[in-house]
Amino acid sequence: GESVGLHLPTLSVQEGDNSIINCAYSNSASDYFIWYKQESGKGPQFIIDIRSNMDKRQGQRVTVLLNKTVKHLSLQIAATQPGDSAVYFCAENRETSGSRLTFGEGTQLTVNP
Amino acid sequence: NAGVMQNPRHLVRRRGQEARLRCSPMKGHSHVYWYRQLPEEGLKFMVYLQKENIIDESGMPKERFSAEFPKEGPSILRIQQVVRGDSAAYFCASSPYWGLPNEQFFGPGTRLTVL
Repeated sequence: GESVGLHLPTLSVQEGDNSIINCAYSNSASDYFIWYKQESGKGPQFIIDIRSNMDKRQGQRVTVLLNKTVKHLSLQIAATQPGDSAVYFCAENRETSGSRLTFGEGTQLTVNP
Repeated sequence: NAGVMQNPRHLVRRRGQEARLRCSPMKGHSHVYWYRQLPEEGLKFMVYLQKENIIDESGMPKERFSAEFPKEGPSILRIQQVVRGDSAAYFCASSPYWGLPNEQFFGPGTRLTVL
């Protein structure tokens, strides 16, 4: 079946380092990808998105890369801070599926001081 | 500008009871989505509603679960005769329009515990 999944369930980095969180997807018909951050006890918070016709998009301290050839998505966080500690989910959206999001399983990012 | 509001934040029910979860979308948003999150898992889509209409309920269990979004008032997710497997966090999201890109704004969730 179709899925959006993560390579690693946990990632631990030192404060100030760059973090890279990966995501694989199986459906080549995905039109739109989004990264969400979820802190403990809270709802997901939008970080950055990218359309399927793009390869890269940058935000403040974050960059999303999309490789459609291998169906791979990554989130890069520059100069990781303790406040970045959270679970990160990738999600995909397709025009044919309306507005619903399909989420991956999540990666727990821990930033060590 | 208040975000998506959900209540209650925590709900405890015994098996066989009913659970009612409420969601008030952001001001100006007429599209509401419900997702369920089991412990240490990603969110799973349940249902998408607009005012007075269910647009997509493909993720809803066939029995015991229902959702509505009336003309006035919050959206309600109703679970009848709850079982332990219903224990999860239920998140509501809203958006101002249909189509892509579709940024959905999430509420804080309702954590349902079934004893």
